Amino acid sequence: DSGVTQTPKHLITATGQRVTLRCSPRSGDLSVYWYQQSLDQGLQFLIHYYNGEERAKGNILERFSAQQFPDLHSELNLSSLELGDSALYFCASSAGTAEGAFFGQGTRLTVV
Amino acid sequence: GEDVEQSLFLSVREGDSSVINCTYTDSSSTYLYWYKQEPGAGLQLLTYIFSNMDMKQDQRLTVLLNKKDKHLSLRIADTQTGDSAIYFCAESIGNYQLIWGAGTKLIIKP
Repeated sequence: DSGVTQTPKHLITATGQRVTLRCSPRSGDLSVYWYQQSLDQGLQFLIHYYNGEERAKGNILERFSAQQFPDLHSELNLSSLELGDSALYFCASSAGTAEGAFFGQGTRLTVV
Repeated sequence: GEDVEQSLFLSVREGDSSVINCTYTDSSSTYLYWYKQEPGAGLQLLTYIFSNMDMKQDQRLTVLLNKKDKHLSLRIADTQTGDSAIYFCAESIGNYQLIWGAGTKLIIKP
């Protein structure tokens, strides 16, 4: 158990809908990262938050947004969903030390 | 910009050693990491090496770092079927950023 919790584990929704994915980082970790992993593909970095502030953006679509709350949990909002948004979405948290980032089990999103 | 490259596949026989390679471009990396992802699971940190080290050994795992060539490798001794997974290389650069390779799928032949 990495200590990072993501909910829900699975989500099936229709095109055009909006969903929210939630991440609770490891206790004390200030950094939260979101990644998208499509079938047979590597990790696509979406966004990084540190202590409530956005630190870096990757290839995140304008239809996607995220935030990190004062209690350090984070949410990734995906709107106007398309079939191509079907993927595994991972959250990772880090204390910024040599330990690196710790990953949640992911949310598998299926858009039908 | 920063980039990390890995081969997409590696096939080895059970019991042999596996060597997974990675090259990176950012010479200011502080730490370099190897993660393992089993099917349907999240990424699990396997090991890491500080950029001023050349080698790190942890049981069946040996990490070699050639900073001059910006080359990182992960050797798994006595490869078992349980080692089948995707292995990701990542480098830590400034501002808590992690740059990831595309992952190498390790296939074990009986």
